[in-house]
Amino acid sequence: AQSVTQLGSHVSVSEGALVLLRCNYSSSVPPYLFWYVQYPNQGLQLLLKYTSAATLVKGINGFEAEFKKSETSFHLTKPSAHMSDAAEYFCAVSESGAAGNKLTFGGGTRVLVKP
Amino acid sequence: EPEVTQTPSHQVTQMGQEVILRCVPISNHLYFYWYRQILGQKVEFLVSFYNNEISEKSEIFDDQFSVERPDGSNFTLKIRSTKLEDSAMYFCASSEQAQVLTFGAGSRLTVL
Repeated sequence: AQSVTQLGSHVSVSEGALVLLRCNYSSSVPPYLFWYVQYPNQGLQLLLKYTSAATLVKGINGFEAEFKKSETSFHLTKPSAHMSDAAEYFCAVSESGAAGNKLTFGGGTRVLVKP
Repeated sequence: EPEVTQTPSHQVTQMGQEVILRCVPISNHLYFYWYRQILGQKVEFLVSFYNNEISEKSEIFDDQFSVERPDGSNFTLKIRSTKLEDSAMYFCASSEQAQVLTFGAGSRLTVL
């Protein structure tokens, strides 16, 4: 069975500071890994994905994540936080099957950006 | 950019009533999904649908739930007799292949 753990349900950063959101996963097969963002009263928007190509993945809005197999981690970073980054971020893992792609989500990390 | 459309955005219903949540997936996508998020909790997988049948379902997806693709564009989730604990945000998603899901904005269901 696969699972995802996000360390820290809430993170507070100052505008311009580094954003680091931690994600660890467990999977019995090579995983596909994803970060989604949810802005208030909106749906889930894909930030970036890892699907067994380059281990450093760049996404939208200046975010990137690095897949580290030895650490079973897929931490999300952004060098300089912007007020618009305030949202909830979800890490997710999947094991691609023949008939679709079931995602298992972490508990989410809510990011607050202080001016 | 193509998007997944969900209706209604918010529905309030009485316990025991039937509810149908509707979704219009992206037109060339082949895989369809429902997820839900109870307030303050994780996003949870409910069901996946491919080739006009359920391909996988979670323990949550019991006999009270059903899905249907009644025509070439809609994908519906029906809850036959709603319970208080069904109150949640329900997300529809679709994917072209078995990798990246595109989610809709969600339908918030409130059961009174």
